[in-house]
Amino acid sequence: DQQVKQNSPSLSVQEGRISILNCDYTNSMFDYFLWYKKYPAEGPTFLISISSIKDKNEDGRFTVFLNKSAKHLSLHIVPSQPGDSAVYFCAAITEGSNYKLTFGKGTLLTVNP
Amino acid sequence: DTGVSQDPRHKITKRGQNVTFRCDPISEHNRLYWYRQTLGQGPEFLTYFQNEAQLEKSRLLSDRFSAERPKGSFSTLEIQRTEQGDSAMYLCASSEAGVTGELFFGEGSRLTVL
Repeated sequence: DQQVKQNSPSLSVQEGRISILNCDYTNSMFDYFLWYKKYPAEGPTFLISISSIKDKNEDGRFTVFLNKSAKHLSLHIVPSQPGDSAVYFCAAITEGSNYKLTFGKGTLLTVNP
Repeated sequence: DTGVSQDPRHKITKRGQNVTFRCDPISEHNRLYWYRQTLGQGPEFLTYFQNEAQLEKSRLLSDRFSAERPKGSFSTLEIQRTEQGDSAMYLCASSEAGVTGELFFGEGSRLTVL
């Protein structure tokens, strides 16, 4: 049972435009959410996170929005740059779970110059 | 480079052979995790160490899998009697105590079982 779902395997946007990556979850016990970015032949790298008590967290060009009632979060990248092209994973944590991450399948973002 | 390092980066083996992967975490990190990633999937949790203690194991970790972290430093993941279904990327990650979820991943060890 996929507890964290990223239903779009891929997304293509033009440089300078907004990229919106979506993530849905089913486990209401998740209380912390993260986005990781992965380039080919590299391990995932942490990008941004949000606690379940917040609905928005911003870090430079990256903003994560959380809608708890809909069990949905999204990552906005503005403006998108070609170097943002990577696979983006949504992940979630349950309090008391030894900070064990549950990942989605990922979305491949391609930013075209 | 003071990141998480994994060795070997790529291992090709025949079914039935044993393989061992090594992970050297960031030195000040007391938490260490092993994940497995197959094609088209996100990383899946395998096991977790806090210092030298293995505190959690996923049900994905069959009896053929064993992990150790002697002295709370590097860790090894051994797979005995490999099967073709074990083919995957094995990712190691480490983190500091008190930091929620921000794991630092290594580049992974890709296992191909023929």
